[in-house]
Amino acid sequence: QQQVKQSPQSLIVQKGGISIINCAYENTAFDYFPWYQQFPGKGPALLIAIRPDVSEKKEGRFTISFNKSAKQFSLHIMDSQPGDSATYFCAAPRGSTLGRLYFGRGTQLTVWP
Amino acid sequence: DAGVIQSPRHEVTEMGQEVTLRCKPISGHNSLFWYRQTMMRGLELLIYFNNNVPIDDSGMPEDRFSAKMPNASFSTLKIQPSEPRDSAVYFCASRTGTVYGYTFGSGTRLTVV
Repeated sequence: QQQVKQSPQSLIVQKGGISIINCAYENTAFDYFPWYQQFPGKGPALLIAIRPDVSEKKEGRFTISFNKSAKQFSLHIMDSQPGDSATYFCAAPRGSTLGRLYFGRGTQLTVWP
Repeated sequence: DAGVIQSPRHEVTEMGQEVTLRCKPISGHNSLFWYRQTMMRGLELLIYFNNNVPIDDSGMPEDRFSAKMPNASFSTLKIQPSEPRDSAVYFCASRTGTVYGYTFGSGTRLTVV
């Protein structure tokens, strides 16, 4: 059972453009929604996270938008750069405590120069 | 801080052989997770330890898989006997009890031929 559904599977964006990745979740008990960034040959690294009591969180060029009623959240990368080319994972907690995570299937982002 | 350290980085073994993957979590982190990443199934949680005690091993695919955490600074994931379908990248991650985000290691790429 896929608790977190992520789309698109792959995304190609021109340098300077906006990259948008979407996730939908099932369990309304989730209380933390992180995004991870993974470069080839590396493990995923925490990029940005949001709690459901806010609708948006921005850190530099990265913004999470959260829609609690629709049970959806998205990652926006403004002014996308070739260095942003990576695989991005959304995630949500697994279980009510202790921060175990369900991960989405990932989005492979390619930013063309 | 050296981060989460995994060894070996790459492992190639023949079907039927025993494979042992190793992980050293970040000092002070009291939770440790083993994940497997494949193209078909994405990131799957195999097992999770809290304070060296296995909490949830429901993701361990078969009895061929076993994991131990004899102390706070070391964990192993063993596959015996290994099969070609076990080929994947295996990640170890750790976290403290007060921080939601995980820190992942760089992974072990296992190839079973």
